[in-house]
Amino acid sequence: DAGVIQSPRHEVTEMGQEVTLRCKPISGHDYLFWYRQTMMRGLELLIYFNNNVPIDDSGMPEDRFSAKMPNASFSTLKIQPSEPRDSAVYFCASSRSNQPQHFGDGTRLSIL
Amino acid sequence: LAKTTQPISMDSYEGQEVNITCSHNNIATNDYITWYQQFPSQGPRFIIQGYKTKVTNEVASLFIPADRKSSTLSLPRVSLSDTAVYYCLVGGWNAGNMLTFGGGTRLMVKP
Repeated sequence: DAGVIQSPRHEVTEMGQEVTLRCKPISGHDYLFWYRQTMMRGLELLIYFNNNVPIDDSGMPEDRFSAKMPNASFSTLKIQPSEPRDSAVYFCASSRSNQPQHFGDGTRLSIL
Repeated sequence: LAKTTQPISMDSYEGQEVNITCSHNNIATNDYITWYQQFPSQGPRFIIQGYKTKVTNEVASLFIPADRKSSTLSLPRVSLSDTAVYYCLVGGWNAGNMLTFGGGTRLMVKP
């Protein structure tokens, strides 16, 4: 079975550039989550969707961050403009209602 | 969401049983206890989940006392490949399975 698929695996870009991270959840899962992991702050939930609708975005750091889920099989997390402090590993996870979350292998983002 | 406290790190040797205890004094009635494992450069992977007493699967056992204010993840006969960070989380099934990850326990298994 295909798990959660994230792309790209690595992204290096310069400060001020727009960054788009992509996620394909597991088919049939109706919840999708975006997390960020850093050494200093650990794993933080940024936003989650239920049936493609954003439910809680209180973890999104600021207006430079936005997330969309246009359909059940695709979601994006966009940072515009990017800053060096956005450097982190970004994880996407999906789940069925009342089931554990399945995580992708993340996107390692470096902003120079 | 209930906060969890677990040891920052633990060392063990191959073939030993490892027990990692997590404290969650403020666990709510509808909260479940879930453990995840994370290897470097990978996302967290679900290990086991329970509500009370004992749960066992092919990978681990989870012991939860009657007051549910703590839980213990038991890994039988660990191998080098069990070296990873282990996260204990508590949360209910409302709010879309929202999970708050703590700092985790870094387990180092030595030969």
